[in-house]
Formats: sequence, C-alpha cells, structure tokens
Amino acid sequence: DIQMTQSPSTLSASVGDRVTITCRASQSISPWLAWYQQKPGKAPKLLIYKASTLEDGVPPRFSGSRSETEFTLTISSLQPDDFATYYCQQYSDYPWMFGQGTKVEI
Amino acid sequence: QVQLQQWGAGLLKPSETLSLTCAVFGGPFSGYYWNWIRQAPGKGLEWVGEIYHSGSTNYNPSLKSRVTISVDTSKNEFSLELTSVTAADTAVYYCARRKMGLNPKGFDYWGQGTLVTVSS
Repeated sequence: DIQMTQSPSTLSASVGDRVTITCRASQSISPWLAWYQQKPGKAPKLLIYKASTLEDGVPPRFSGSRSETEFTLTISSLQPDDFATYYCQQYSDYPWMFGQGTKVEI
Repeated sequence: QVQLQQWGAGLLKPSETLSLTCAVFGGPFSGYYWNWIRQAPGKGLEWVGEIYHSGSTNYNPSLKSRVTISVDTSKNEFSLELTSVTAADTAVYYCARRKMGLNPKGFDYWGQGTLVTVSS
C-alpha cells in the first residue's frame, strides 16, 4: 500500500494567515493527489486534484503544489470559512489511501 | 447538478450484515467508478471499495473478505454489503463518485453520509 503522511495534525492560525499543509507519499504517485476539506458533520469536499488543479468553484486562495513525493496545500489568506479538517488522498494505485488529516483551528 | 442520496440501517448487532444503498441523480451513471468510504468517529477517512457501471469491482484488501459492492444500472443505484460486523465497523459511511479517464479527479461528489453503529 502507498502510505500518505500528512503534517501537521493540528494547526492553529488566525484569519488572514498563510497556511501550509504537507503530505508525503511513501512512493511515487506522479501527480495523482487530491485535497479535500471536511467540516464537522459534513461530507468531504474536493478542493484540488492532480496535485495542483483547482476544482470548479473553489476560491483561488487555495493552491496545491508537488515536489517529487511531497505535496503541499496552501491557503494564501485564511478566511473564517476555512477552519476545517483537510485530507490528502492518493489515486495512483489501489488501495486509495488518505492522509491522517490536518485540523485547522483558530 | 449531480446528487448522491444514500440510505440503510443505522444500528446493527455484532455478526450482522451492514447494507447501504446509494442513488445517483442529475448526472450520468456510466463512465464513473462508484465508491464507498467510511470514517470512524473522530478518525480519518478509509476507502472501502468501488464499482464501475459495468460491474467491475475493486476492494480495500483490509476488508475484501467481508465486502460486496453491487450495482443496479436500471435504477442508477449501487449498494454495499459488509458481513460479520463488529464494533470496529462503527463509522459514517459515505458513497462517492470517482472520475476516471485521461484527467482523473479523485472523489468529486459525495453522499450525505450514514452513521452505522454496531452494538449489542
């Protein structure tokens, strides 16, 4: 299985902050990584796919990048609606695996 | 707009079979993989398995011996069965769509989730 190691597990930030979350794959997954946002009691929402492509309707303050097997989700200026838990997920090879999640809190 | 609506029993006893169904509205059923993903209380996301509209399946090896995913293309529905449940199977179960092809996306549409509790 391809393991996804996400860090940090919790992140404390303020409105307006630049926030970075990292996800490392245990082997090459090419660009086949997605980022999701999940709020309490809700289903995850796809934010970014293919490492850096923004899903339709997602604000441009969200961005993704890749360096080999290390992937980064950046929120350029944190907004009140962005306080949530974020997950990475590889879809290069079965079984599809998620990172452990990063909770972004005030 | 694509919508996934899911339902099924929410309370099971150990050793019983979990059964959930997900219906797809507002978009094509063909050409996509239809998935089940679960989330134990306070925990992360775990992929359970998926089915193509043709009936081809892929399962998480950790659950493969107990999981069956089936499809009814006449109703645009797909279903999950998980046998011999234990307390460790207590989770919110989500259905989700996976776009494949030249520009695969991951899971772009999700159901509302169903909490399944296993307790004696």
